[in-house]
Amino acid sequence: GEDVEQSLFLSVREGDSSVINCTYTDSSSTYLYWYKQEPGAGLQLLTYIFSNMDMKQDQRLTVLLNKKDKHLSLRIADTQTGDSAIYFCAERKPLVFGKGTRLSVIA
Amino acid sequence: NAGVTQTPKFQVLKTGQSMTLQCAQDMNHEYMSWYRQDPGMGLRLIHYSVGAGITDQGEVPNGYNVSRSTTEDFPLRLLSAAPSQTSVYFCASSYNGQGLGEQYFGPGTRLTVT
Repeated sequence: GEDVEQSLFLSVREGDSSVINCTYTDSSSTYLYWYKQEPGAGLQLLTYIFSNMDMKQDQRLTVLLNKKDKHLSLRIADTQTGDSAIYFCAERKPLVFGKGTRLSVIA
Repeated sequence: NAGVTQTPKFQVLKTGQSMTLQCAQDMNHEYMSWYRQDPGMGLRLIHYSVGAGITDQGEVPNGYNVSRSTTEDFPLRLLSAAPSQTSVYFCASSYNGQGLGEQYFGPGTRLTVT
């Protein structure tokens, strides 16, 4: 069956870059997504990448897609304490989510 | 627009009780879905709907029923609550099931079954 996998925890120092990795299984996914969940809140779409792209940059966020390896990553430059949250990658519709990576930013 | 609204925010049930979690959106979205979020499990799809009158099962549908009589509303029914259904439930909607169709999430309902 479908499976989206990501590491559960990541801890970085403020100002460093964070890289959150994800592997997915459905090669027919047209879009791949990163969602952010802050404590006690629902999920918000952070960014996405179209499957025919290798990279997408949006301010401090960089998404890299390796379709051959079915690997997706989210890089957050100059990580701030406000970036502390759980980050989910997702594929397909209906969305299939990974288990989420809890990013902790140490001041 | 209010976006996606869910009621109640919190609920405690006894085993065997039934209840309905409400979800509504005012964005004229065709696509609506219900997820449950459990620690270490991420979000798992319970049921979804691609339009009024059409529903389908997701990954974990057992113990839940849905209906979609209007575009706006997508209630989730627990027929006989069990402790395993203790979770946070999120409703989401998007313009349609295909394409980018950013999903908008409600604030969640935290359900405890004792």
